[in-house]
Amino acid sequence: AQSVTQPDIHITVSEGASLELRCNYSYGATPYLFWYVQSPGQGLQLLLKYFSGDTLVQGIKGFEAEFKRSQSSFNLRKPSVHWSDAAEYFCAVGSGNTPLVFGKGTRLSVIA
Amino acid sequence: SQTIHQWPATLVQPVGSPLSLECTVEGTSNPNLYWYRQAAGRGLQLLFYSVGIGQISSEVPQNLSASRPQDRQFILSSKKLLLSDSGFYLCAWRYGTSLTDTQYFGPGTRLTVL
Repeated sequence: AQSVTQPDIHITVSEGASLELRCNYSYGATPYLFWYVQSPGQGLQLLLKYFSGDTLVQGIKGFEAEFKRSQSSFNLRKPSVHWSDAAEYFCAVGSGNTPLVFGKGTRLSVIA
Repeated sequence: SQTIHQWPATLVQPVGSPLSLECTVEGTSNPNLYWYRQAAGRGLQLLFYSVGIGQISSEVPQNLSASRPQDRQFILSSKKLLLSDSGFYLCAWRYGTSLTDTQYFGPGTRLTVL
């Protein structure tokens, strides 16, 4: 069965510090992987996606993610966090026309 | 460009009352459409998806139903709401014609059942 695990429910980082959000997936076929961000009371916005090719993908707002097949991971990173990055982040996996399967999310808090 | 609308944005309903949430997509044709529910601390739960008019797949058996009366319209309904139906409801769409299509989300509807 397809599943996505985001081990960290809540992470707090200082503004300007680096960030890594973890995502592990279980998928029977070649996975397509996504990261979304959700601000309070809003819908989800796509940050980046991986389909094939270069395993390091760049997204919007200075985020990047690296696909590691051997570890079944797709961790999201940002070198320097801004206060406006405080939000909830969701990792998702899918393939072809099948609906995406989402992790439970990681809430990011940013402190001064 | 494509846009997705949901209404209402917020809704407060008594237990046992009916529900109708609407989602429409503009700027595309024959999209795949999805309804998700987001309850506190539980991530996104896929409720229904549709690959065409009148075609509905249910992922979770419950007192909710979905319909797709037009190509770009997706409706979530209930005859009698339960307290447990409270949550944030998100509609999403994707083209569905390419393996690499991306899923996009609407702004959501906050439903509170009292």
